[in-house]
Parts: sequence; C-alpha cells; structure tokens
Amino acid sequence: QQQVKQSPQSLIVQKGGISIINCAYENTAFDYFPWYQQFPGKGPALLIAIRPDVSEKKEGRFTISFNKSAKQFSLHIMDSQPGDSATYFCAASKGSTLGRLYFGRGTQLTVWP
Amino acid sequence: GAVVSQHPSWVICKSGTSVKIECRSLDFQATTMFWYRQFPKQSLMLMATSNEGSKATYEQGVEKDKFLINHASLTLSTLTVTSAHPEDSSFYICSARDSWGDTDTQYFGPGTRLTVL
Repeated sequence: QQQVKQSPQSLIVQKGGISIINCAYENTAFDYFPWYQQFPGKGPALLIAIRPDVSEKKEGRFTISFNKSAKQFSLHIMDSQPGDSATYFCAASKGSTLGRLYFGRGTQLTVWP
Repeated sequence: GAVVSQHPSWVICKSGTSVKIECRSLDFQATTMFWYRQFPKQSLMLMATSNEGSKATYEQGVEKDKFLINHASLTLSTLTVTSAHPEDSSFYICSARDSWGDTDTQYFGPGTRLTVL
C-alpha cells in the first residue's frame, strides 16, 4: 500500500516556467514532509522539508505548500532551469518510527532550454 | 549539510561471492541508519533499519541471511550481500539520521552500483 501518492510521474517544463509536483498522504500521524532531488546514478539529496505547523516554506526558488486538512503537499520550482532536470521524490515520516521515510514514486522533471 | 559517504561507489562481482558495502556519516553521529534498494526509474525501497549496537530490523520480504547489516558504531554501518546472484544487481543507497540537538533530518549517501555477473 502506497502511503504517499505522488503525481505526475513525469513533467516537462520550459526554462523559466514553474514546475509543480503534488503529493498526498492518508496517515495523519505523519509530521515531517521532505522533498528529495536525485540525479541519475546519485543518491537523493534533501531539497526542502516542512512540518505541519506551517502552510508554506520557501528556500530560494523552491517552495513547499502544505494543506493539512486536505492531507496534501506540493513542491513548486520557480524559474525552472535545465539544471533542475532530475527525479524528485516526496516523502513523509512520523517521529515515533525513528525517522523511517515513506516515499512517493517519484517525478521525472525535464526542463527544456 | 551533513555528509554521508558510501564505499565502494560501484562493484562488479561473480555469482556466489559476497560483497560488503560501507556507509559512513562523516560529520555527525547517526544512531539510526537505513538501507535502500533502487531499481531503474523506480522509487527507493527500504530494506532495513539499523540502530547502533543492536540487530537490524528488516522489511517484509527482505532476506536477513542474505543481506547482513552491521551497525558497529555511531558513524558506520555495513551491508553485506552474501552469495550474490544476478538478481541482486541493483543500486544500493544508505541514509543516516541526524537527530541531535534541534535537527532531525535524514541524509543519503551517493549510492553503490552492484553488478553480479
């Protein structure tokens, strides 16, 4: 059973555009929601993370929007660049389970120059 | 951010041999480390959770006798693939949990590509 559902599976955006990736979860015990960026042949790198006490977090061009009532969160990449082309994974965790992350299936983002 | 290293980055071995992969947290102490397996164009699949000084907890369907995990110190965990077969070929990634002080984040290693001939 997929605890975190991620969409779309792939995304093509023009340079300078906004990339939006969405995730949804069911378990209300989740209290930590990170996004990871992964390039081919590399390990995932933490991009940005949010906890349920805030509805939005911004770091540079990356923003997480969090809707607790809808149990959804999304990643927005502003002014998308070709260097952003990678696979993005959302994840969720609950502190009571020692940080075990439940991953979405991933979104392959391609930014056209 | 914190750094997690893995060694080797890639390894090719013959069927039937054993391979050891090391995962180190370089600038923090990790009481918990995780081992994942990733197939091409797929998500990360958790294999086991490793706590320093205790036995690893394996996910359902993961053979504990085949994938031996040792977490001997707060900065080192090892995964040994015993009697490797071609179906064990995969990308193995470890992560380490940094939960000291005000932080609680999981950092990933660069991964190890295992090819079994």
